[in-house]
Amino acid sequence: DAKTTQPPSMDCAEGRAANLPCNHSTISGNEYVYWYRQIHSQGPQYIIHGLKNNETNEMASLIITEDRKSSTLILPHATLRDTAVYYCIEPNAGGTSYGKLTFGQGTILTVHP
Amino acid sequence: DGGITQSPKYLFRKEGQNVTLSCEQNLNHDAMYWYRQDPGQGLRLIYYSQIVNDFQKGDIAEGYSVSREKKESFPLTVTSAQKNPTAFYLCASSKDRVSGEKLFFGSGTQLSVL
Repeated sequence: DAKTTQPPSMDCAEGRAANLPCNHSTISGNEYVYWYRQIHSQGPQYIIHGLKNNETNEMASLIITEDRKSSTLILPHATLRDTAVYYCIEPNAGGTSYGKLTFGQGTILTVHP
Repeated sequence: DGGITQSPKYLFRKEGQNVTLSCEQNLNHDAMYWYRQDPGQGLRLIYYSQIVNDFQKGDIAEGYSVSREKKESFPLTVTSAQKNPTAFYLCASSKDRVSGEKLFFGSGTQLSVL
């Protein structure tokens, strides 16, 4: 089972920032947190990952709390095309084999005009 | 362009029939994965392969089989033993065992039972 906790759904107005929270209270010291998103009927897309420092790329920013028990994915200017399911993933949470990702149910983000 | 190609996009299976889903990648990735997704649910790992000629069962391997004879290819066979095969199947790859968490996904195959 996934060890991350995310709200099942969130809404955001187009052009505004979307802030998606994730709790990963059982994460170990050397494990990264990964974020993916899945647009309907497509394969998931990698967004960003981080260990303990805040990260930013062309898609999003990732803010990780100092105790690493939670993080927030920020889409700074959400567009209608950002409507998707967003997954926060703690690698190996579901097992012992390296590279085995466990996807939970994620957060359904709906961006409104 | 480099990427992962899954085919077909839609597939129909008759009762008692085995079907094979294709997954090809030209990213030169060592590791490949198969996931199953049911409506409104997250992804569940079926099988994964870290290297050619080697693969391991995931969380829901029963009723499925795979092969990894070439680095580029990781076909999934849904056998007649899989009693509830209707789902969206996703293939993914990653560069290697170390970077296993950064996955690149195909566009998926929707399998339905007639």
